[in-house]
Amino acid sequence: AQSVTQLGSHVSVSEGALVLLRCNYSSSVPPYLFWYVQYPNQGLQLLLKYTSAATLVKGINGFEAEFKKSETSFHLTKPSAHMSDAAEYFCAVSFNTGFQKLVFGTGTRLLVSP
Amino acid sequence: GAVVSQHPSWVICKSGTSVKIECRSLDFQATTMFWYRQFPKQSLMLMATSNEGSKATYEQGVEKDKFLINHASLTLSTLTVTSAHPEDSSFYICSALPQGNQPQHFGDGTRLSIL
Repeated sequence: AQSVTQLGSHVSVSEGALVLLRCNYSSSVPPYLFWYVQYPNQGLQLLLKYTSAATLVKGINGFEAEFKKSETSFHLTKPSAHMSDAAEYFCAVSFNTGFQKLVFGTGTRLLVSP
Repeated sequence: GAVVSQHPSWVICKSGTSVKIECRSLDFQATTMFWYRQFPKQSLMLMATSNEGSKATYEQGVEKDKFLINHASLTLSTLTVTSAHPEDSSFYICSALPQGNQPQHFGDGTRLSIL
């Protein structure tokens, strides 16, 4: 069965520092992987997705993630954090070949200090 | 970009009331929509898959008679929480799947509080 594990429920960085949010997946078939961001009392916004094309995926707001099959990882990074990046981030994997059922990780809250 | 509208955004009602939540895809057609539930500081849990013109598919442990789903058109799915009780209080989020090989687009969620 597909699953994702997000290490660290909270990550704190200073403004301008590197952001690294970790995600490891388990999937018996080639996965589709996603990172979503959620601001308070809002739904989810897609940051980026991996669909078996390029292993380094660039998303919106300066975020990117690298698919590493050998490590079963899909970590999210951003070179320089902004205050507006403070939010909850979810890694997700979808079953089989499409964008149908999403299985979400438990989320990581990113805190950005001045 | 693709927009999904969810209404209402916030509802407070008495125990025993039935509450209907609407999910609309505003600028695309969606044969499939999804309903999620999110408890405070937790992840999203898929409740059911809503298919236009057919019965919804519920995840294990979700009471279909409690959470009624109707997907009567290609742009609208509704979730009705019947005879709601305080334990049904939660954040409910819908998403819509565009046609073609595209990812889900999410609504802004509905916070349901049952007194």
